[in-house]
Amino acid sequence: KNEVEQSPQNLTAQEGEFITINCSYSVGISALHWLQQHPGGGIVSLFMLSSGKKKHGRLIATINIQEKHSSLHITASHPRDSAVYICAVRSGLQGAQKLVFGQGTRLTINP
Amino acid sequence: EPEVTQTPSHQVTQMGQEVILRCVPISNHLYFYWYRQILGQKVEFLVSFYNNEISEKSEIFDDQFSVERPDGSNFTLKIRSTKLEDSAMYFCASRRDRGTEAFFGQGTRLTVV
Repeated sequence: KNEVEQSPQNLTAQEGEFITINCSYSVGISALHWLQQHPGGGIVSLFMLSSGKKKHGRLIATINIQEKHSSLHITASHPRDSAVYICAVRSGLQGAQKLVFGQGTRLTINP
Repeated sequence: EPEVTQTPSHQVTQMGQEVILRCVPISNHLYFYWYRQILGQKVEFLVSFYNNEISEKSEIFDDQFSVERPDGSNFTLKIRSTKLEDSAMYFCASRRDRGTEAFFGQGTRLTVV
């Protein structure tokens, strides 16, 4: 069983729609990251959170530590939001705390 | 804004050849990582590096792989004798300290032929 599971794997929506991507994890974590990967392959960090909710522009990330679940929401989606969105968790208090990645959600926003 | 820089962006090499992938982490960062992503698969951890030594490595990081921070700014990943299955996108990442956000480079696409 994967330690980090994302759903859906693929999501296609129309411009303006509200988008939700979910992430569930099975290990204890110190933080959860939401990352964006564009077709060229580069990875950009969107959020790092360990509790509650964070907002940046049209993006909102929430986490429920008890349920081991996080969601990434995009309001008023736009074609430029089309990318792969990746959830990754950081576990452990000791050491360099590697990230364990989900398989990603491919989001396509049509105009 | 400071960024993690990786070179080259794309490298093609013959099977059995040695390759060195280079990364310049953000200057005040202390933790360094290499990850890889085989085409169509999820990103996988290779190795973490702190205080001039490896702090953790994955099963993938066998004797063919090594890392080095030769001069206090560069952070390199060497693959001694490349195999076809080493073809992947390799990402370098760095963090300032344990509780902070990780920053990723743009990746090096390695193609072994």
